[in-house]
Amino acid sequence: EAGVVQSPRYKIIEKKQPVAFWCNPISGHNTLYWYLQNLGQGPELLIRYENEEAVDDSQLPKDRFSAERLKGVDSTLKIQPAELGDSAVYLCASSLSQLDTQYFGPGTRLTVL
Amino acid sequence: GNSVTQMEGPVTLSEEAFLTINCTYTATGYPSLFWYVQYPGEGLQLLLKATKADDKGSNKGFEATYRKETTSFHLEKGSVQVSDSAVYFCALSAPDTGRRALTFGSGTRLQVQP
Repeated sequence: EAGVVQSPRYKIIEKKQPVAFWCNPISGHNTLYWYLQNLGQGPELLIRYENEEAVDDSQLPKDRFSAERLKGVDSTLKIQPAELGDSAVYLCASSLSQLDTQYFGPGTRLTVL
Repeated sequence: GNSVTQMEGPVTLSEEAFLTINCTYTATGYPSLFWYVQYPGEGLQLLLKATKADDKGSNKGFEATYRKETTSFHLEKGSVQVSDSAVYFCALSAPDTGRRALTFGSGTRLQVQP
C-alpha cells in the first residue's frame, strides 16, 4: 500500500514569491492534516480536513496561507507571499477517520531566501 | 491547553545500552499517547501508542506505559542498535475535547555509537 505522497520534497524560493505544496493521502483516508515543523521542534497543526471540509484551521495564518482539498482527496497548501520565517518543513498526514492513527508523508522542506 | 514535554537531546549511547526518553504531558480529558520516530531524510513513523491508562504500547523492542497518575509516557528499550539513531517525538491527541490533531513534544535526538 502506498503511503502519503508529497511534492516537491525540496523548494527554494526568494521572499515575496508564491509557493505551493501538494499532498496525496493514503487511499480511502477521509481525514487529512497539514503540519508545520520548524527546525528542532515538533510538528504543529496548520489545518485539518474531513473529506473536503476544513474543520480546524484556527492555526492557519490566513493572511498569506491558503489550502484546499478538492473532491476530498488530494490537497494543496499555498503561501503567498512567502516570508523568511516560513522556512520550515511542511508535513502532510492522513487517517481513516479523525479518531484513527495518523500516517505522515516525507514532508516538503521550504527555504525562503 | 494540551502540551507535551520531552527530555532534551541529544542522547548519546553505546550499542546495546539501555534507553529511556522521558515524556510528560498536560491534557484535559483522556488523551491517547504516541511515540513517533523520524529517521534521517524520512517522514514521521508511528512507533507505538497507548489509548488508556496502564496500557503498554510496544514495537521493535521499544515500550512505553501510559501512567495517568504521573502523566507520563516514557519510552524505553533494553538494548539499542546503531539503526535506532533517529529523532523521537512524544505526542498526544485528545479527541474527547475536540482536539483531534496531534500535539507533539519538541523531539529527542538519539545517537547510538558502535
